Amino acid sequence: DGGITQSPKYLFRKEGQNVTLSCEQNLNHDAMYWYRQDPGQGLRLIYYSQIVNDFQKGDIAEGYSVSREKKESFPLTVTSAQKNPTAFYLCASSRRPDQPQHFGDGTRLSIL
Amino acid sequence: DQQVKQNSPSLSVQEGRISILNCDYTNSMFDYFLWYKKYPAEGPTFLISISSIKDKNEDGRFTVFLNKSAKHLSLHIVPSQPGDSAVYFCAASQYDKIIFGKGTRLHILP
Repeated sequence: DGGITQSPKYLFRKEGQNVTLSCEQNLNHDAMYWYRQDPGQGLRLIYYSQIVNDFQKGDIAEGYSVSREKKESFPLTVTSAQKNPTAFYLCASSRRPDQPQHFGDGTRLSIL
Repeated sequence: DQQVKQNSPSLSVQEGRISILNCDYTNSMFDYFLWYKKYPAEGPTFLISISSIKDKNEDGRFTVFLNKSAKHLSLHIVPSQPGDSAVYFCAASQYDKIIFGKGTRLHILP
């Protein structure tokens, strides 16, 4: 079955540590996205990538970094510079940027 | 500046009746609109979409209506079922991004 896999589902880290969230897709999609969901805030775009080795900042990129070395993978690093990292993080992919996105089941990050 | 607005945070509808979820947008350059459904602790799933050249798209129990002059779209679910209880996100696309609204939580009452 094709889909998007985010791991782990729950992640705990100490304040000041960087943490990397994994996102893998086997849908052969070119575009991949990272969103953050906070209560009452909907989905806010962190970073997106339309093609391998290229990515752009979304609306709330500060304190985050990404890489796109392979088509299937789009890991997100939450750095210690992110002031309020506790949130639910969603990864998505689409065949083209203007097509419906397929989402993973998310990673809930909690900073202790 | 919210470009896609869902002004009702929640909505309760009796099972079997029609659910109508509303969405307004401000950018007239949006050319494609989507609705997603989300259960707790899961990612959103794509439900239905509509191109700006159409004013209605139907898929089973789900129908999306687009009123370009009013910059308004709505999702109709009929008849509503218990499994429809979820958060519904309206989204709009322009060029290389999709912009999401904040969502409306739909409760289907028995």
